[in-house]
Amino acid sequence: GIQVEQSPPDLILQEGANSTLRCNFSDSVNNLQWFHQNPWGQLINLFYIPSGTKQNGRLSATTVATERYSLLYISSSQTTDSGVYFCAVTQTGANSKLTFGKGITLSVRP
Amino acid sequence: DTAVSQTPKYLVTQMGNDKSIKCEQNLGHDTMYWYKQDSKKFLKIMFSYNNKELIINETVPNRFSPKSPDKAHLNLHINSLELGDSAVYFCASSQPGTGVYGYTFGSGTRLTVV
Repeated sequence: GIQVEQSPPDLILQEGANSTLRCNFSDSVNNLQWFHQNPWGQLINLFYIPSGTKQNGRLSATTVATERYSLLYISSSQTTDSGVYFCAVTQTGANSKLTFGKGITLSVRP
Repeated sequence: DTAVSQTPKYLVTQMGNDKSIKCEQNLGHDTMYWYKQDSKKFLKIMFSYNNKELIINETVPNRFSPKSPDKAHLNLHINSLELGDSAVYFCASSQPGTGVYGYTFGSGTRLTVV
């Protein structure tokens, strides 16, 4: 099956810093999503981004499908950005099964 | 206006018991899923239903039985609970083919088997 690798596995930032989270995938995909799991365990959909670039406030994401990677940018980080960031993909013909990476644990310190 | 709602949020039970988790979505999606998140935070699909029909069953022990009475509901029944079943179980829904909204997840059910 498709492999989804996220890097770095852990990230510690000082409040106000910027960061880039990376997701590599091993095969072509028809869906890619970024999720944030907050410290209370909720999975929040950040971006649906199978290709191109999207922005939402301090967050933006870019997926280059032909090169099989996606990047999540966090600017001016805040303590509320702490949590685990997951990249997840689906493939055509896989019954919409979402395959997750192992996540990136982000800690933003005040 | 919760889009995907699960109950209960927390479930603590003894080994050997049978328990159910309920899920409802009001997004009008055709497809619903159960995902399991283990202690290392890894998320993996268990089941998927499309319009009440089972379409994914990922090598899950047959003690786990999903039921979809209609396309807005997907319940998970677990028989003879074991310690290793302790995890967070997430329900989700999507509308494959549209690509507009992707997946929406419920808030999770934290199951602890003692």
